[in-house]
Amino acid sequence: ETGVTQSPTHLIKTRGQQVTLRCSSQSGHNTVSWYQQALGQGPQFIFQYYREEENGRGNFPPRFSGLQFPNYSSELNVNALELDDSALYLCASSLDGGADSNEAFFGQGTRLTVV
Amino acid sequence: AQSVTQLGSHVSVSEGALVLLRCNYSSSVPPYLFWYVQYPNQGLQLLLKYTSAATLVKGINGFEAEFKKSETSFHLTKPSAHMSDAAEYFCAVNTGRRALTFGSGTRLQVQP
Repeated sequence: ETGVTQSPTHLIKTRGQQVTLRCSSQSGHNTVSWYQQALGQGPQFIFQYYREEENGRGNFPPRFSGLQFPNYSSELNVNALELDDSALYLCASSLDGGADSNEAFFGQGTRLTVV
Repeated sequence: AQSVTQLGSHVSVSEGALVLLRCNYSSSVPPYLFWYVQYPNQGLQLLLKYTSAATLVKGINGFEAEFKKSETSFHLTKPSAHMSDAAEYFCAVNTGRRALTFGSGTRLQVQP
């Protein structure tokens, strides 16, 4: 059974640029959620994708967007990067739209630094 | 809206001592509650989850947590700390949008 994998592990971007982060969900999982974890804080929910449709969104601006592919892998895109976007971005996969009690399996994260 | 509050951003215990990490939740409906652990430069690993089946929940690595509705608490405990338990611990609640709302975390330090 393959776990959740994220790429790249580290990334440095310049303010104003665009970035794409990638996530492969755990085998058999159809739901992917993305979280932003700023230094010293808990993860904050960005959005969730279930069967290729957005299935919930947190309090993040539209420049944060995503995709889910037929194989349930996912991308997080961030446009017009700001310094405050520097954070660890975590992907989590689960089953069946993340029904409340289902366990979410997290990847190792992508550390994004905006300079 | 649902939320969790973790009391104490840093907790230090001696090896072999009791570990107690505090979490209080706010919810208008019966919550699903989770404890996750994060080791340096890694993602989150689920320790245990409460889903209303039993108020005392046992997890991995000897951790357990008790759901107390009257106190709106879900504190994490371990009878005897090990050096390998040093990490960041997060309490989380589901939001009904099927997303997790996390607390701000508690860093556990274990002294030899």
